[in-house]
Amino acid sequence: KAGVTQTPRYLIKTRGQQVTLSCSPISGHRSVSWYQQTPGQGLQFLFEYFSETQRNKGNFPGRFSGRQFSNSRSEMNVSTLELGDSALYLCASKQQGSTDTQYFGPGTRLTVL
Amino acid sequence: SQQGEEDPQALSIQEGENATMNCSYKTSINNLQWYRQNSGRGLVHLILIRSNEREKHSGRLRVTLDTSKKSSSLLITASRAADTASYFCATDLSGSARQLTFGSGTQLTVLP
Repeated sequence: KAGVTQTPRYLIKTRGQQVTLSCSPISGHRSVSWYQQTPGQGLQFLFEYFSETQRNKGNFPGRFSGRQFSNSRSEMNVSTLELGDSALYLCASKQQGSTDTQYFGPGTRLTVL
Repeated sequence: SQQGEEDPQALSIQEGENATMNCSYKTSINNLQWYRQNSGRGLVHLILIRSNEREKHSGRLRVTLDTSKKSSSLLITASRAADTASYFCATDLSGSARQLTFGSGTQLTVLP
């Protein structure tokens, strides 16, 4: 099976712009989670989607949003970018079982200038 | 906020030596997982240990869990240069593995 894919891999934006990141989960995985990784805050949970519904949300401002499509692909959007949004954004997918592992994609490196 | 702290923050050893990393967490958990990350890339799942397990092995990896002390350790035996990476523990508070809370990570460098 192909792994989790994320596009684009690298992105440079300026303050105030918005950005959309995409994640394609492993085939058959219906749960998609997003994480932000920064040197200062480490790895932090953003949100999780299952069957096109957001089930969990981390402690991030409303500028961060996401959605999931019927084919389980997910996008996350950050509006009104700030310098502090520069980070590695990681997507992970898992099957529905309670102890199934999350499988991570390679991430999208976002730089906000 | 991060659930756990990892110790040490950085570890440098020679090839062939064993590497031990520790993780402490704050609240009761359903399971704890260890992940590896190579230089700003995605996370690779290494091993999962459930709260009712005390020790688990996978190849050169050995994980222990002490729920009374809220701590876990990851031992990599006979380390190789390819083991150079950051290692993170992640706790699953919900039991559904949908939302992981990560520790701060240990940067392991294995010198050839």
